[in-house]
Amino acid sequence: DGGITQSPKYLFRKEGQNVTLSCEQNLNHDAMYWYRQDPGQGLRLIYYSQIVNDFQKGDIAEGYSVSREKKESFPLTVTSAQKNPTAFYLCASSPSGAYYEQYFGPGTRLTVT
Amino acid sequence: GEDVEQSLFLSVREGDSSVINCTYTDSSSTYLYWYKQEPGAGLQLLTYIFSNMDMKQDQRLTVLLNKKDKHLSLRIADTQTGDSAIYFCAESGGVQAGTALIFGKGTTLSVSS
Repeated sequence: DGGITQSPKYLFRKEGQNVTLSCEQNLNHDAMYWYRQDPGQGLRLIYYSQIVNDFQKGDIAEGYSVSREKKESFPLTVTSAQKNPTAFYLCASSPSGAYYEQYFGPGTRLTVT
Repeated sequence: GEDVEQSLFLSVREGDSSVINCTYTDSSSTYLYWYKQEPGAGLQLLTYIFSNMDMKQDQRLTVLLNKKDKHLSLRIADTQTGDSAIYFCAESGGVQAGTALIFGKGTTLSVSS
């Protein structure tokens, strides 16, 4: 089945540790995105990548880093510099073409204590 | 800057119609989308409308677009308890493939039996 996978579903970390969230897609999509969701805040764009080996900062990139070495994979690292890392993280991808429908993964809930 | 606004909550009785409203600011938006998010899950695309259309119907869903007022609505006919979820309005504007979407904060729909 084609789709986007995010792992793990739940992640717990101690403050001061970096943590990497996985996102893989087998839809052959060019573009991939990371969003952060907080209660009542909607989705805020962290980083996006339109092609392999290239990515751009979104609205809230501080304290996060990404890589795009393969078309299928777009991992997100939450660094210790991120002041409020506890949130629900959503990865998405979209095809090239006439419109920009995004397909979402199931999300990773990160809790930092 | 670009912004998408939605009311935060809507409560309806099972069998009634639900209408979720959205306003956006980017007049160059090419496509407008409605996504549904069930608790603890990713977003699922419900429907979209191209900016040169006024209305789109898809089974129980009707999307109305008033481009002059930059107002988008989603009507769900015969609302069921399974429709309880958060509904996000989103816009895209770029001609370049993979342009990130701008999401509203989401409307929580509560359906009582």
